[in-house]
Amino acid sequence: QVHLQQSGPGLVQPSQTLSLTCAISGDSVSSYNAAWNWIRQSPSRGLEWLGRAWYRSNWNKEYAVSVRSRISIDPDTTKNQVSLYLHSVTPEDTAVYYCARKSITFDYWGQGTLVTVSS
Amino acid sequence: DIVMTQSPDSLAVSLGERATINCKSSQNVLYTSNNKYYLSWYQQKAGQPPKLLLYWASTRESGVPDRFSGSGSGTDFTLTINSLQAEDVAVYYCQQYFSTPWTFGQGTKVEIK
Repeated sequence: QVHLQQSGPGLVQPSQTLSLTCAISGDSVSSYNAAWNWIRQSPSRGLEWLGRAWYRSNWNKEYAVSVRSRISIDPDTTKNQVSLYLHSVTPEDTAVYYCARKSITFDYWGQGTLVTVSS
Repeated sequence: DIVMTQSPDSLAVSLGERATINCKSSQNVLYTSNNKYYLSWYQQKAGQPPKLLLYWASTRESGVPDRFSGSGSGTDFTLTINSLQAEDVAVYYCQQYFSTPWTFGQGTKVEIK
């Protein structure tokens, strides 16, 4: 059974970097059958896909246009986890952030982390 | 980007009755090479992440009760909940995985009448 456990701070100051980690159990971050995604949810934006990382002989990454200039999704094969970094955050980045595995579609989700951007 | 539009935004259904949720995609989500619709449905209860119910528009995820069914063609899809149970109170989302950015509908809230 796949389990995704998220960790990271719930409060980030404006202009700083949001950093979350998703620890994977029951699967490998290097799996050829999966991609590891970050999705956020807010009342104003609904469910918004942010980006993904996947391994197919080498690492691939893809990001949503809305955050492309300030996002990074980084896998860590030694810890079997994937991290999200979102730089230069503003209050509009306040949301619940989820990591999710995509095989066919999003079949496993982390528990969610409410991140508030405020001073 | 493919825009997913759900209707209605909310509905109230009596216990044991049928709930029907519609989802329309702004573009085709049918992959002709395998004749599959790249469309999934999720259920989200308060304080929880979304839970996958259906994929390929009509294939139930393992463990999902058979009162949940999906149908559709072209750009119009439907989630049907037969014999609504109290535990089905939730927000339901459709989502396309035909092309990135993967996109979701705005959600439909299902309540008990």
